[in-house]
Amino acid sequence: DAKTTQPNSMESNEEEPVHLPCNHSTISGTDYIHWYRQLPSQGPEYVIHGLTSNVNNRMASLAIAEDRKSSTLILHRATLRDAAVYYCILRDFYGGSQGNLIFGKGTKLSVKP
Amino acid sequence: DTGVSQNPRHKITKRGQNVTFRCDPISEHNRLYWYRQTLGQGPEFLTYFQNEAQLEKSRLLSDRFSAERPKGSFSTLEIQRTEQGDSAMYLCASSLRGEFLSVHGYGYTFGSGTRLTVV
Repeated sequence: DAKTTQPNSMESNEEEPVHLPCNHSTISGTDYIHWYRQLPSQGPEYVIHGLTSNVNNRMASLAIAEDRKSSTLILHRATLRDAAVYYCILRDFYGGSQGNLIFGKGTKLSVKP
Repeated sequence: DTGVSQNPRHKITKRGQNVTFRCDPISEHNRLYWYRQTLGQGPEFLTYFQNEAQLEKSRLLSDRFSAERPKGSFSTLEIQRTEQGDSAMYLCASSLRGEFLSVHGYGYTFGSGTRLTVV
């Protein structure tokens, strides 16, 4: 699976939007971009995924660059409960290790009241 | 179904002892994964099952580690002759093959993990 690069940490104020960047310059045409987050003392949880088009769900939005070499996870209004480590992960849909998620260190998001 | 369940939540053991962890996945999920996570790091893949077959093992999984998933339901992870370096959070996850949307949502569903401390 291709590698991603994320900032180690970011800070946000409560109720403000948060943009979490991810660089993946070696992404291949069949790599999906996945985001998971891990709240303190819990296992990771799925947030969102996409291939080429921007995606929205109840948790977040995913903006994917036209060349797919970078993406941004957008939390529209951060809450204290969004404080977590956010992981950006590329997975080849067709092969490799049949979909094993390979985690990096992620971005630790702190949310200030 | 209440999600992925892992037991025990915490385990303290003396170096050299054997330990066994259990994972109960979401019942409709046919894939089950084990990960290990140390402080400040992301989860590291250990192994995964599709139904009862163990299809891949990471080189992190030394000979002291063994995982089983009899009958394709729950899974156990055993560590023999524990070492202090085995201290970590052990996470289990489950998914549908191909990760199609299920009533539990998309992607992997993780348990809360078992925290192992080897003293």
